[in-house]
Amino acid sequence: SQTIHQWPATLVQPVGSPLSLECTVEGTSNPNLYWYRQAAGRGLQLLFYSVGIGQISSEVPQNLSASRPQDRQFILSSKKLLLSDSGFYLCAWSPKGYQPQHFGDGTRLSIL
Amino acid sequence: QQQVKQSPQSLIVQKGGISIINCAYENTAFDYFPWYQQFPGKGPALLIAIRPDVSEKKEGRFTISFNKSAKQFSLHIMDSQPGDSATYFCAASSPGNTPLVFGKGTRLSVIA
Repeated sequence: SQTIHQWPATLVQPVGSPLSLECTVEGTSNPNLYWYRQAAGRGLQLLFYSVGIGQISSEVPQNLSASRPQDRQFILSSKKLLLSDSGFYLCAWSPKGYQPQHFGDGTRLSIL
Repeated sequence: QQQVKQSPQSLIVQKGGISIINCAYENTAFDYFPWYQQFPGKGPALLIAIRPDVSEKKEGRFTISFNKSAKQFSLHIMDSQPGDSATYFCAASSPGNTPLVFGKGTRLSVIA
């Protein structure tokens, strides 16, 4: 069966510091991968998605970037965090060509 | 045209009652309509999904009703329980490797 791992579960970072969140998927190959952000009590905002290694689509221009160095690894990064980057970051995967999307348990990011 | 409009924003239901959440869409290319359930601090989990070739799908106490002509679909939770208290998201996608478009979510509280 397929599983998705996200780490860390919680992270507290100072303003201006760098960020690296990692997501890996097991039990499948060539998945579509997604990064979402969810503000407290709010909906899901799609940040990036990838249909293959090195192929990244950005949905929202902002302080973040994404990379996919391996087939089942998706990384969310920032060079300098802003207060507005606080939130709940969710990684998800889906099989090629059809849904559904399956989510990880997220990373709670707090910026001080 | 890419939006999925979800209502209500919040819902309080008595234990044993029926919870109904509605979603509407404009994009006639959408062909996959899932519902996700999210508990606090967790990622959304796929609850039930439907494709437009059927008007209703039932899994246990959860039913999706789909009206293709009206471009609307809804989630019905029968015999609602306190354990159903969560945020529910509807979503839709069109064929191919396109990400899901999510509604803004409904916070359901089931009270005893």
